[in-house]
Amino acid sequence: GAVVSQHPSRVICKSGTSVKIECRSLDFQATTMFWYRQFPKQSLMLMATSNEGSKATYEQGVEKDKFLINHASLTLSTLTVTSAHPEDSSFYICSATDTGLATGELFFGEGSRLTVL
Amino acid sequence: GENVEQHPSTLSVQEGDSAVIKCTYSDSASNYFPWYKQELGKRPQLIIDIRSNVGEKKDQRIAVTLNKTAKHFSLHITETQPEDSAVYFCAATRRSNDYKLSFGAGTTVTVRA
Repeated sequence: GAVVSQHPSRVICKSGTSVKIECRSLDFQATTMFWYRQFPKQSLMLMATSNEGSKATYEQGVEKDKFLINHASLTLSTLTVTSAHPEDSSFYICSATDTGLATGELFFGEGSRLTVL
Repeated sequence: GENVEQHPSTLSVQEGDSAVIKCTYSDSASNYFPWYKQELGKRPQLIIDIRSNVGEKKDQRIAVTLNKTAKHFSLHITETQPEDSAVYFCAATRRSNDYKLSFGAGTTVTVRA
């Protein structure tokens, strides 16, 4: 099946620094990718929809300037957490659909656990 | 937007027994309902899905039922095994919404040996 790769899997950073997380669709093209945030023992909360070649669509309550999303190609979307603070520590997961299949099935990346000290 | 509610939040079953998780959704236009299994620290894995044009789908020990009129769908796991222990999420979406999933809150299933 389709594979989505996310990198890094774990990152620890100091407060005030920025962290970039990459999400790649390895064997299919994805015009749309989704970024989720998951707190311990909670559900996946959609942060934004990443659209190739255009601006991301953010969910209500998600700061655009805080969580920068870039979807420069059909296989890569990046999430940059700017000026990270301890409350940004979380598990971030991306997902993508195979545009060519248009079945709706989502393929998830491995997730990135961010710890801000 | 879509609102998905999931029950129960935790479920403990004896090995070999069945487990049932129920979800309701609010958007009558939703037409795709996947179920995901997530182990601790891992990515969600699709275990089964159903579309609005069918009422039931089965894959070995896992089955999903859909009642469009009542707007609810359920996951059934039969002959549970310890490796079925995980968090299960239901979700709902529609193609016209770019398949943007709305997830339920999750059910932590524990299978007792």
